[in-house]
Amino acid sequence: GAVVSQHPSWVICKSGTSVKIECRSLDFQATTMFWYRQFPKQSLMLMATSNEGSKATYEQGVEKDKFLINHASLTLSTLTVTSAHPEDSSFYICSARDHRLAVAYEQYFGPGTRLTVT
Amino acid sequence: AQKVTQAQTEISVVEKEDVTLDCVYETRDTTYYLFWYKQPPSGELVFLIRRNSFDEQNEISGRYSWNFQKSTSSFNFTITASQVVDSAVYFCALSEAGNTDKLIFGTGTRLQVFP
Repeated sequence: GAVVSQHPSWVICKSGTSVKIECRSLDFQATTMFWYRQFPKQSLMLMATSNEGSKATYEQGVEKDKFLINHASLTLSTLTVTSAHPEDSSFYICSARDHRLAVAYEQYFGPGTRLTVT
Repeated sequence: AQKVTQAQTEISVVEKEDVTLDCVYETRDTTYYLFWYKQPPSGELVFLIRRNSFDEQNEISGRYSWNFQKSTSSFNFTITASQVVDSAVYFCALSEAGNTDKLIFGTGTRLQVFP
């Protein structure tokens, strides 16, 4: 099956610093990757859709200058939380879509990255 | 507008009991997809099932079964003879044919199975 990895699995950073999270598709090429955020005991909320070689599309209410997304290759997307604050502490999950699929409904999820901002 | 409602926030059962997790969805599309995911304490989402709107047949996979009823816009999930390892948060999700990239998740149901 399709495997998606995330690195790091958890990170603690100080307020004001930036943190980069990587999302990789290990055994398939992903033209599209998605970034979700999940606060404790809450649902997953889509933050942005990342397409290889083009700018990400952000959901309403998500600051694109704060959450920088780069999808430079078919197997890697990165999310950088800039000038992180405690309220950015959350579980960040990425998913990827295999471009070989004719119907675009299958997303493979990564294991998530827990970010804690102190 | 699309929406997924999981009215049950938390359910507790004793091992070997059957349990049903409810999911009600809203969509204006005639073609859409419904999903169930399991999120154990480790956090990783585990895909359980995908169903498209034209396939109303119920599905059984081992102890898991799903009941899709378009008439009531429901896609309920039943675990038979629950086990402690079933303890997790279960999410129902919807994507529409017009925008299959976007998964709309319900708020999740936390299932605790006690020995």
